[in-house]
Amino acid sequence: QVQLQESGPGLVKPSQTLSLTCTVSGGSISSGSYYWSWIRQPAGKGLEWIGRIYTSGSTNYNPSLKSRVTISVDTSKNQFSLKLSSVTAADTAVYYCARDKVDSNYTYYYYYMDVWGKGTTVTVSS
Amino acid sequence: DIQMTQSPSSLSASVGDRVTITCQASQDISNYLNWYQQKPGKAPKLLIYDASNLETGVPSRFSGSGSGTDFTFTISSLQPEDIATYYCQQYDNLPYSFGQGTKLEIK
Repeated sequence: QVQLQESGPGLVKPSQTLSLTCTVSGGSISSGSYYWSWIRQPAGKGLEWIGRIYTSGSTNYNPSLKSRVTISVDTSKNQFSLKLSSVTAADTAVYYCARDKVDSNYTYYYYYMDVWGKGTTVTVSS
Repeated sequence: DIQMTQSPSSLSASVGDRVTITCQASQDISNYLNWYQQKPGKAPKLLIYDASNLETGVPSRFSGSGSGTDFTFTISSLQPEDIATYYCQQYDNLPYSFGQGTKLEIK
């Protein structure tokens, strides 16, 4: 049973860089057809997809955050990470990591986030 | 970006009721749509993938349908543990985008 766990500072100062790590347990981050995604949710609001990484290192980012986001993977540690630079109060949110499964019915591919971490709250404040 | 619009934003229903939530995409997304359930203080949970496929272990009272721009999520007989916010999510084009959510309450 694959499990994901986010970790990182709960408080970040404005203009600094938010750094979070997602540790994958119960399975190898390199096995199977998976992307690994980051999603965030401001308090009382909806979900925003930040970006994803494949274990090859290939990344996709949300254009709304692309200039500030870096997602990386460390297969030796079974972890992937998120860095968000120049943060402001608008970046205060619960941050989730998720496994983004790639599946196929031989006609097309489909994607779904089937395993999620519990989430970690990050507050941007001085 | 593809905009996803859910309706209603909130819904109150009684135990045993049939509940329906709709999700409309701003452009044709074929059947590239997932549904998630989020209980307060918890991470989202995948219920339906590829518009109509039930995730393993999810009760059969949950179902999804639709294609193109219009999709429906149904709970055939509402149970007390179904109280949550439900989100649709498209994966036709990056960036992935979610609906604003439908908060379901018990009447």
